Amino acid sequence: SQTIHQWPATLVQPVGSPLSLECTVEGTSNPNLYWYRQAAGRGLQLLFYSVGIGQISSEVPQNLSASRPQDRQFILSSKKLLLSDSGFYLCALEVAYNSPLHFGNGTRLTVT
Amino acid sequence: DQQVKQNSPSLSVQEGRISILNCDYTNSMFDYFLWYKKYPAEGPTFLISISSIKDKNEDGRFTVFLNKSAKHLSLHIVPSQPGDSAVYFCGSGSARQLTFGSGTQLTVLP
Repeated sequence: SQTIHQWPATLVQPVGSPLSLECTVEGTSNPNLYWYRQAAGRGLQLLFYSVGIGQISSEVPQNLSASRPQDRQFILSSKKLLLSDSGFYLCALEVAYNSPLHFGNGTRLTVT
Repeated sequence: DQQVKQNSPSLSVQEGRISILNCDYTNSMFDYFLWYKKYPAEGPTFLISISSIKDKNEDGRFTVFLNKSAKHLSLHIVPSQPGDSAVYFCGSGSARQLTFGSGTQLTVLP
């Protein structure tokens, strides 16, 4: 079965600092991968998705970026964090087209 | 554009009773709906889905009902168990168009 690893589980970063969140998957090849964010009191918002190495689609304009350097690795980055970047970041895996997403355990990011 | 609303942020139910979680959506063009369950410090876990060609889908204690005319979705849990205590999200659309509600915290009291 597929496994999604996300780290760190929690992170506190000052405004203006860089960010790197990593997601790796096991048990599947060439998956579609997604980054979601949940801000306080709000639903999940799709940030990026990737259908393959080096292929990134952005859904929401922001100061975040994503990269997929390897088939099973998806990275979310920022050069300078804003207070509004605080939230719960989730990596998700799509096993087959239009199948329900499998989510990782997420990273709770607090920007201070 | 799809909006999904869960107007009840919390719900408490006695163990053994029925839990009913509700969800409203705005765009009837979307034809696939899902429910996810989330425990603290964990990612959401897929629970059950329904396509618009159906009015009802059942999986064990969980049943999802879809009322297309009212643009309303509900999740019934019968009987409710303390382990069902979690945040429940309804969602609409495929992965690249997936829109979630803000969630309902269900607490099942022993």
